[in-house]
Amino acid sequence: DADVTQTPRNRITKTGKRIMLECSQTKGHDRMYWYRQDPGLGLRLIYYSFDVKDINKGEISDGYSVSRQAQAKFSLSLESAIPNQTALYFCATSDGQGNTDTQYFGPGTRLTVL
Amino acid sequence: QKEVEQNSGPLSVPEGAIASLNCTYSDRGSQSFFWYRQYSGKSPELIMFIYSNGDKEDGRFTAQLNKASQYVSLLIRDSQPSDSATYLCAVRHSSASKIIFGSGTRLSIRP
Repeated sequence: DADVTQTPRNRITKTGKRIMLECSQTKGHDRMYWYRQDPGLGLRLIYYSFDVKDINKGEISDGYSVSRQAQAKFSLSLESAIPNQTALYFCATSDGQGNTDTQYFGPGTRLTVL
Repeated sequence: QKEVEQNSGPLSVPEGAIASLNCTYSDRGSQSFFWYRQYSGKSPELIMFIYSNGDKEDGRFTAQLNKASQYVSLLIRDSQPSDSATYLCAVRHSSASKIIFGSGTRLSIRP
């Protein structure tokens, strides 16, 4: 089984709809992240959480919110989706150890907002 | 100036040759540097990380770090068609709370 899972894998929605993307991990990591990826722009950090009670904004948090329901679960919500939120969304985890703190990515959710 | 810069490519390299991928970063306090490989439509996967000046080798891959020049590179020896992918450079910020990704270099290995 995959260590980091994301649901749904694909989603098409309409402008103004509220949607939630979910992420679960079995790696036992405390740190979780949400990124979006757009062609030519690389990965941009939306929100990150270092433990259940810790939520931090990334570089592009406007229009998004998150919930850390448990160590293993981190959800991303778009309260009112707009077309420029069409992108590939990745959840990631890391163990926060020393100089490495390698990030492990989920398979991604392809979101289209019409 | 972007915090982490990479040439978007595509970089075309003949099979069996050495592919050289480059990355520059702006924050002098950056501590750790990562190379991820991403196949089209897939998630990024770590190739290797480096945090000390010099070279670090892992199989066909060598990461090179020069903190004075704020430069990190990835060399892929004996390039294979399966190495065709986008390579993302990532840098751990001096605040150590987040990683900044470059926009990636698309590498194509031609038979």
